[in-house]
Amino acid sequence: KAGVTQTPRYLIKTRGQQVTLSCSPISGHRSVSWYQQTPGQGLQFLFEYFSETQRNKGNFPGRFSGRQFSNSRSEMNVSTLELGDSALYLCASSLGLSAGLEETQYFGPGTRLLVL
Amino acid sequence: DQQVKQNSPSLSVQEGRISILNCDYTNSMFDYFLWYKKYPAEGPTFLISISSIKDKNEDGRFTVFLNKSAKHLSLHIVPSQPGDSAVYFCAASPNTGNQFYFGTGTSLTVIP
Repeated sequence: KAGVTQTPRYLIKTRGQQVTLSCSPISGHRSVSWYQQTPGQGLQFLFEYFSETQRNKGNFPGRFSGRQFSNSRSEMNVSTLELGDSALYLCASSLGLSAGLEETQYFGPGTRLLVL
Repeated sequence: DQQVKQNSPSLSVQEGRISILNCDYTNSMFDYFLWYKKYPAEGPTFLISISSIKDKNEDGRFTVFLNKSAKHLSLHIVPSQPGDSAVYFCAASPNTGNQFYFGTGTSLTVIP
């Protein structure tokens, strides 16, 4: 079974620009979560999508948005980029079953974003 | 507010010895805990998990211990191997939804 894929793997943008990152989950997985990883901050949760709906959201500004398509693929968009947005962006997929059931998230390799 | 904490940013261990990585959490609603391993330039890889109804789970060289009263979990690696050198993240999930909270990671170096 193919793993989680993310494109592009590396990206360089300048302040003020916007960026769109893509994530394809493991086949059969309906939940996709996005995380930002920066040195010393660990993985900070951005949001989770399930069946094309945002189900959970972390504490990030509105410049960070996402969506999910009917095939469970997800995109994340960051508008008006700031220097502090430079990070590794990871997506993870899981079955997304009902709350209370133990699930494991599987991660993609990440997209390394550098904002100049 | 960091609900999952890994207070040791780094750990060095001799090959063949035991590695113990620690993790503390604050939210009593967490009932499922996971450990991930991450190599540079790769995404985290699932290692082992434990449910709150258990206090120990073993998988080969890896054992996770959970102390609910202390809100503490630990990952034991025995014996440690150089290939175990990586950053280890603990994560926790509440019983209310599919959201995971991660610690800041501990960088493990196993010295040959």
